[in-house]
Amino acid sequence: KNEVEQSPQNLTAQEGEFITINCSYSVGISALHWLQQHPGGGIVSLFMLSSGKKKHGRLIATINIQEKHSSLHITASHPRDSAVYICAVRSGGSNYQLIWGAGTKLIIKP
Amino acid sequence: DAGITQSPRYKITETGRQVTLMCHQTWSHSYMFWYRQDLGHGLRLIYYSAAADITDKGEVPDGYVVSRSKTENFPLTLESATRSQTSVYFCASRWTGQETQYFGPGTRLLVL
Repeated sequence: KNEVEQSPQNLTAQEGEFITINCSYSVGISALHWLQQHPGGGIVSLFMLSSGKKKHGRLIATINIQEKHSSLHITASHPRDSAVYICAVRSGGSNYQLIWGAGTKLIIKP
Repeated sequence: DAGITQSPRYKITETGRQVTLMCHQTWSHSYMFWYRQDLGHGLRLIYYSAAADITDKGEVPDGYVVSRSKTENFPLTLESATRSQTSVYFCASRWTGQETQYFGPGTRLLVL
């Protein structure tokens, strides 16, 4: 079993829908990251969380440390949100290495 | 160019050949990383470097060699390429004490 599991693997939705992508992890962590990989391949960091909730524009990330679970929400989804969303965690015992989820491929249809 | 760049962006090579992928960053970030990305897998760390002349193995280092003689450069060498090394390779960097990694555009490598 992978230490970081994302669900769903693939998600197709209509423009305007509220999107939720989930990330569950099995290790103790000191930080959790959400990243976006564009269709062209570029990877950018969206959020880093150690507790609570963060919001940036239409993106909201939450984390529940007790349940070892994080969610990434997209409100009023748009075709330009189509991308692979990746969750990664830094375990409490690591200074450098992140443990990566396999990603969720999101397609938003107009 | 400012930022983090990788070259080449695309490479086709043959089994047994030596290949070097270049990574260059202009931020003077201390940490640099090499990842490979394959279908069905998350990013997997090959090697990382905490500073010039300090490198260490990641999750999948076999068949790869790195060096870091200058802070801004972190080349990755496949000493004798194998088909299993066909992948997309990403370089990343970050500041000491900060979590966010900044990624290069990737290099698509095909080993025939």
